Amino acid sequence: AQSVTQLGSHVSVSEGALVLLRCNYSSSVPPYLFWYVQYPNQGLQLLLKYTTGATLVKGINGFEAEFKKSETSFHLTKPSAHMSDAAEYFCAVGRAGNMLTFGGGTRLMVKP
Amino acid sequence: EAGVAQSPRYKIIEKRQSVAFWCNPISGHATLYWYQQILGQGPKLLIQFQNNGVVDDSQLPKDRFSAERLKGVDSTLKIQPAKLEDSAVYLCASSLGGTGANYGYTFGSGTRLTVV
Repeated sequence: AQSVTQLGSHVSVSEGALVLLRCNYSSSVPPYLFWYVQYPNQGLQLLLKYTTGATLVKGINGFEAEFKKSETSFHLTKPSAHMSDAAEYFCAVGRAGNMLTFGGGTRLMVKP
Repeated sequence: EAGVAQSPRYKIIEKRQSVAFWCNPISGHATLYWYQQILGQGPKLLIQFQNNGVVDDSQLPKDRFSAERLKGVDSTLKIQPAKLEDSAVYLCASSLGGTGANYGYTFGSGTRLTVV
């Protein structure tokens, strides 16, 4: 069984500030980990994924995430927030050939 | 490569009516998934197909929901009769499978269903 917990359903940052969205997972097997972004009335867009290899993963739009096995975490960060980053972000855990299990999502708000 | 195609984009129906959604996955993707995303929540798996066979439908409300993937390519999800709580976005995804860095998983834009 696998599950995902995203701490904070809403996160607000100022433009130019650090973005940190938290994700903790549980999985009985080594996981594949994903971050997706969803803009209003749109589908899910893959930001980045960890499947194997380097634990610091870089994605699109300047986002990155680090897989920390000891902490069962996969937090998403971006050094400097932009207004266009305002969206809903979902962390998900999966494994080859299997479904993805999603967290409840974090809505990121960026203040000017 | 073309993405995962879904139609219709929006649908409004009255409760107790029936509705169907269509999905065409990325060419060559053997695995197809239907997810339900209720407003303010993360997507939840309804059913997973591998080619034309069902892998997991444990979360599918089978008294009203049905899905098929007859030729192992496109898929249809049906709700009959619809309830108010079925209002959600229905997302289709397809997966190449594989392992490691080759693992791929792509979502369509979804169908937004409103039951009134």
